Amino acid sequence: EAQVTQNPRYLITVTGKKLTVTCSQNMNHEYMSWYRQDPGLGLRQIYYSMNVEVTDKGDVPEGYKVSRKEKRNFPLILESPSPNQTSLYFCASSLGLHNEQFFGPGTRLTVL
Amino acid sequence: SQQGEEDPQALSIQEGENATMNCSYKTSINNLQWYRQNSGRGLVHLILIRSNEREKHSGRLRVTLDTSKKSSSLLITASRAADTASYFCATDAGVTGGGNKLTFGTGTQLKVEL
Repeated sequence: EAQVTQNPRYLITVTGKKLTVTCSQNMNHEYMSWYRQDPGLGLRQIYYSMNVEVTDKGDVPEGYKVSRKEKRNFPLILESPSPNQTSLYFCASSLGLHNEQFFGPGTRLTVL
Repeated sequence: SQQGEEDPQALSIQEGENATMNCSYKTSINNLQWYRQNSGRGLVHLILIRSNEREKHSGRLRVTLDTSKKSSSLLITASRAADTASYFCATDAGVTGGGNKLTFGTGTQLKVEL
């Protein structure tokens, strides 16, 4: 089954404790992206990747890192999480930028 | 600021009625996409309409695009309770306009009551 998976689905952590949210897709998509969703603000793009080893900042990249060492994986790294990064995070992938995006189920992160 | 702005923010209708949601945007686009999100879940792609298209249909969904007014509408006909969800428009402004990304609006919350 074609899908985008994210782990963990729920995470409660404390300020400053490094964490990684994994994202994997099995559709051989080149384009992958991370979004955060906050009430009243819609979805905002954090980082995106056009292909392996090619990443770029989205609208709200501060406090986040990404890597794209393999085509299928696009982990999101929070080196030193802060409470303002409490949010619902979505990973998405597509054949290319100009195609429909397939979204993962989301990761709800709480930073205390 | 958001590229796409949906209107209304919330819409409540009776089952069987039609639901219309509008999206306005600011810059030229390559395409515009509509997504649906059930509460707290991942978004599901509904329709993609390219800048040279004016109307597109998919089942009970009809999307129009007016590039001169920089607006789009999503019509759901004969709504069902299962259509209750949030609906988002997303614009692809292309390499020169948007920097290789989709920009989402804040969404319309649709509630379909029995």
